[in-house]
Amino acid sequence: AQSVSQHNHHVILSEAASLELGCNYSYGGTVNLFWYVQYPGQHLQLLLKYFSGDPLVKGIKGFEAEFIKSKFSFNLRKPSVQWSDTAEYFCAVNPLGGNEKLTFGTGTRLTIIP
Amino acid sequence: EAGVTQFPSHSVIEKGQTVTLRCDPISGHDNLYWYRRVMGKEIKFLLHFVKESKQDESGMPNNRFLAERTGGTYSTLKVQPAELEDSGVYFCASSQRLAATDTQYFGPGTRLTVL
Repeated sequence: AQSVSQHNHHVILSEAASLELGCNYSYGGTVNLFWYVQYPGQHLQLLLKYFSGDPLVKGIKGFEAEFIKSKFSFNLRKPSVQWSDTAEYFCAVNPLGGNEKLTFGTGTRLTIIP
Repeated sequence: EAGVTQFPSHSVIEKGQTVTLRCDPISGHDNLYWYRRVMGKEIKFLLHFVKESKQDESGMPNNRFLAERTGGTYSTLKVQPAELEDSGVYFCASSQRLAATDTQYFGPGTRLTVL
């Protein structure tokens, strides 16, 4: 069975700091990878996704993620965070060409201090 | 375009009672998913409908949970009888195509508290 690990449970940064949130997955085959975000009081929404091609994926609001197959990782990055990035971030996977259900990590709560 | 909607937003019930959660997917989306997040833990898959058929119900915890999607439009998730461990946030999501790469659009969730 596949699993997803997000080791940072709560990250606190000042505005303009750089961000990297870790995501590692465990699965024997090829996967599709997703980052979702939930802003306070809002729905979960897709930040970005990777399923093939360039392993560096750009998403909305200046976020990007890099798929490193050898490390089973899909870390989320942003060079300069804003107060409005305060949210909970979820990494998720599903098998390439397989079942559509998503397997999520436990989430990382990001707090940006103005 | 309206997003995925869920009703109610919050439900507080006593152990042993019944609760029914509703999800309205985005119009035209054949795929509908239910997920649950127990406090502090990961969001876990419960089941997947394609139109009115259950494609995958491997995540349903036990037979106290019953999901339906009559007519392939909205879906309901009934918990009967509710137990304390059923507390959590129940999310619904929908997608247009039956493809693992297709984006799932999530609703706001229903927070269920069982006392």
